[in-house]
Amino acid sequence: DADVTQTPRNRITKTGKRIMLECSQTKGHDRMYWYRQDPGLGLRLIYYSFDVKDINKGEISDGYSVSRQAQAKFSLSLESAIPNQTALYFCATSDSTGPGETQYFGPGTRLLVL
Amino acid sequence: AQSVTQLGSHVSVSEGALVLLRCNYSSSVPPYLFWYVQYPNQGLQLLLKYTTGATLVKGINGFEAEFKKSETSFHLTKPSAHMSDAAEYFCAVSESGAGSYQLTFGKGTKLSVIP
Repeated sequence: DADVTQTPRNRITKTGKRIMLECSQTKGHDRMYWYRQDPGLGLRLIYYSFDVKDINKGEISDGYSVSRQAQAKFSLSLESAIPNQTALYFCATSDSTGPGETQYFGPGTRLLVL
Repeated sequence: AQSVTQLGSHVSVSEGALVLLRCNYSSSVPPYLFWYVQYPNQGLQLLLKYTTGATLVKGINGFEAEFKKSETSFHLTKPSAHMSDAAEYFCAVSESGAGSYQLTFGKGTKLSVIP
């Protein structure tokens, strides 16, 4: 079984709709992240969380919100989706046990906003 | 602020040829450096990373990278390309110390392997 799972894997929605992307992990890591990937732009950080009570904005948080329901679950919401939020979204986790911590990525959610 | 530049958005090599993917970084503090690989329709996975110590780092699938501080580079190489190496490769940097969780990614280099 995958250590980091994302649901749904693909989603089509319309402008103005609220949508939630979910991430679950079985790695027992405290730190969780949401990124978006756009062709030719690499990955950019949206939000990150160090534990259930610690949530922080990343580089591109406008138009997004998150919820850390438990150590293992981290959800990303688009309150009112717009077409330029069409992208590939990745959840990732890491522990904080050493230098240069490795991040472990889920398989991604492909979102299309019409 | 840290940044990463990957030279070449697309690289094509013949099967069996040398793979060289270039990465240059900027960081105001000693960096941690990473290469991640993304196979089609999958998430990213770590190939290798440099934190401290030996500047030549070996990773999975026969890849290696060398940290050159004087050149602010961390190029990825593999002596002989295989068809299964076709993927997108991302170089990333983070700061040593308390900022080590904050990864900054390059824009990626898509590697094609020609039979």
